[in-house]
Amino acid sequence: NAGVMQNPRHLVRRRGQEARLRCSPMKGHSHVYWYRQLPEEGLKFMVYLQKENIIDESGMPKERFSAEFPKEGPSILRIQQVVRGDSAAYFCASSPPKAGGLYEQYFGPGTRLTVT
Amino acid sequence: KQEVTQIPAALSVPEGENLVLNCSFTDSAIYNLQWFRQDPGKGLTSLLLIQSSQREQTSGRLNASLDKSSGRSTLYIAASQPGDSATYLCAVLGQAGTALIFGKGTTLSVSS
Repeated sequence: NAGVMQNPRHLVRRRGQEARLRCSPMKGHSHVYWYRQLPEEGLKFMVYLQKENIIDESGMPKERFSAEFPKEGPSILRIQQVVRGDSAAYFCASSPPKAGGLYEQYFGPGTRLTVT
Repeated sequence: KQEVTQIPAALSVPEGENLVLNCSFTDSAIYNLQWFRQDPGKGLTSLLLIQSSQREQTSGRLNASLDKSSGRSTLYIAASQPGDSATYLCAVLGQAGTALIFGKGTTLSVSS
């Protein structure tokens, strides 16, 4: 059973460009979470999605950031008009359906975004 | 607002020592607590998950305890090895069951 897949693993963008980060959850998992790890800071929650629904986006910056988890395909975290402060490691996690579950989140290897 | 603190921020020990990493959280209304390991430039590996109704979990040389009422958890590593060198992260899941709140981690270095 493959783990959580993220691609690309490394992404370099110039200021003003768009960044698209992809996450494929573990097989059988229907819940996806995105976290950001800024240099010298801890991981911070960004958004929680189920298929075709954003459940909790309390950690998402108000502008330039968006996320989706379509019925088919991976979850996408999109950052428009990137700035140097967006340089960070972005981690995706997934969990199985909640009912009766442990709510354990399994993390992918991350995408390291560098904005030049 | 939930806050998670890990002490110490860094720890260096010789191989073979037993050690304890500490985690504290401000809101005891949690669903569970997870300990993770992160190697430099890598993702997170889940080590142990403790449900709020549990007191401890064990896996090999690792033992994690949870005292929800006092807002504390400890990760005990027995007979440390150089391969244990990594950053150890503690995270709590609120009762809403959505966002994990992370501490900043303890960076462990085990010398041979």
